Amino acid sequence: QLQLQESGPGLVKPSETLSLTCSVSGGSISSRTYLWGWVRQPPGRALEWIGSIYYSGATYFNPSLRGRLTISVDTSTNRFSLKVISVSAADTAVYYCARHPGGSSYYSPVFDVWGQGTTVTVSS
Amino acid sequence: EIVLTQSPGTLSLSPGERATLSCRASATVISNYLAWYQQRPGQAPRLLIYSASSRATGIPDRFSGSGSGTDFTLTISRLEPEDFAVYSCQQYGSSPYSFGRGTKLEIK
Repeated sequence: QLQLQESGPGLVKPSETLSLTCSVSGGSISSRTYLWGWVRQPPGRALEWIGSIYYSGATYFNPSLRGRLTISVDTSTNRFSLKVISVSAADTAVYYCARHPGGSSYYSPVFDVWGQGTTVTVSS
Repeated sequence: EIVLTQSPGTLSLSPGERATLSCRASATVISNYLAWYQQRPGQAPRLLIYSASSRATGIPDRFSGSGSGTDFTLTISRLEPEDFAVYSCQQYGSSPYSFGRGTKLEIK
């Protein structure tokens, strides 16, 4: 059974970099038919797609966050990671990693397997 | 960006009743790429419906989705105690792939 688990600091200072890792178990991150994404949910607000990555390293980002994001994949450890630079209070949220269908030239960001989520607070 | 408006914000019903949740998009959802998720307190979202009307793997048939274009509906035919949760819709036809703010389904 595929499982995803987020890890990373729960508290980040304003203007610093938020870094999270998602560990994938029970399946391979090198699947040709799935991409791996990040979704966040600020307190009291809607879920927000952040971006996704294919095992090859191809990335797709939410235009509103592009420029502050890096998503990377490590197939040797079956993990992928998120970095958000120059964070502010608006980046406070529960961050989820999740899987969605896709391939080398297409993707369909409907998320069928999710991690439990990790809370990140941006505060000094 | 397509904005999804869900109504009502809160729906109070009793077990055994029928629930009808609405999701309205600010523009046409391409190919009816509309999904519904269930989220219980402290848990991750769970995919219920994709492509507006297709049930995800393992989802009971009391959950059904319908609609097209800009108006979509999630129906739960007979509410079970475990169905009381927050339900969110998501369009994945146009980037950025947006979510609605959710409908809270609570026990009356």
